[in-house]
Amino acid sequence: NAGVTQTPKFRILKIGQSMTLQCTQDMNHNYMYWYRQDPGMGLKLIYYSVGAGITDKGEVPNGYNVSRSTTEDFPLRLELAAPSQTSVYFCASSSRQGRDYNEQFFGPGTRLTVL
Amino acid sequence: RKEVEQDPGPFNVPEGATVAFNCTYSNSASQSFFWYRQDCRKEPKLLMSVYSSGNEDGRFTAQLNRASQYISLLIRDSKLSDSATYLCAVRGDGGATNKLIFGTGTLLAVQP
Repeated sequence: NAGVTQTPKFRILKIGQSMTLQCTQDMNHNYMYWYRQDPGMGLKLIYYSVGAGITDKGEVPNGYNVSRSTTEDFPLRLELAAPSQTSVYFCASSSRQGRDYNEQFFGPGTRLTVL
Repeated sequence: RKEVEQDPGPFNVPEGATVAFNCTYSNSASQSFFWYRQDCRKEPKLLMSVYSSGNEDGRFTAQLNRASQYISLLIRDSKLSDSATYLCAVRGDGGATNKLIFGTGTLLAVQP
């Protein structure tokens, strides 16, 4: 049981390039999330998904896109990289029991630098 | 006003000290509260949930004050291994999605 895995661990992009950050979880969680964390800041929610085929915007979605074709995978796409997207990106997942949510489990993060 | 605010610290304390962090939230309808721990260059991990009546887990005590809209984390008998950033998180979306709003974190450095 690997939990939440993210690839790549590190990436340097040039302005205007595109890339996909991969996120996979093997816990059969319905809920998945993408956050970004800038230095000295908390986590900001980019996009989230409540199940396969369902995604919605979080607090800071501009410049990003997501898809959720399977329960396990929740990739994050950057189409035209900008220096403002330099950050650490965390993927997380959680499950639900009745009306209660279980904790969010985080992946190890992807450190992205846009030059 | 930010939705969730924390004192960024750093809090420098000697081993064995007791240290407390507060976290204020602006949405009075917020329903669930959490403390996460984040080690340097690592992902956040849940430390403990915060219940209305307060709760304790070993050396850690969490409390909620709904009237004043803050949560607190008390660490007793600090260990070197407690050095980390402590993030508070609040869920206030009516329970539809488990969206969390995080504070910026409080950095704790326990000195030998």
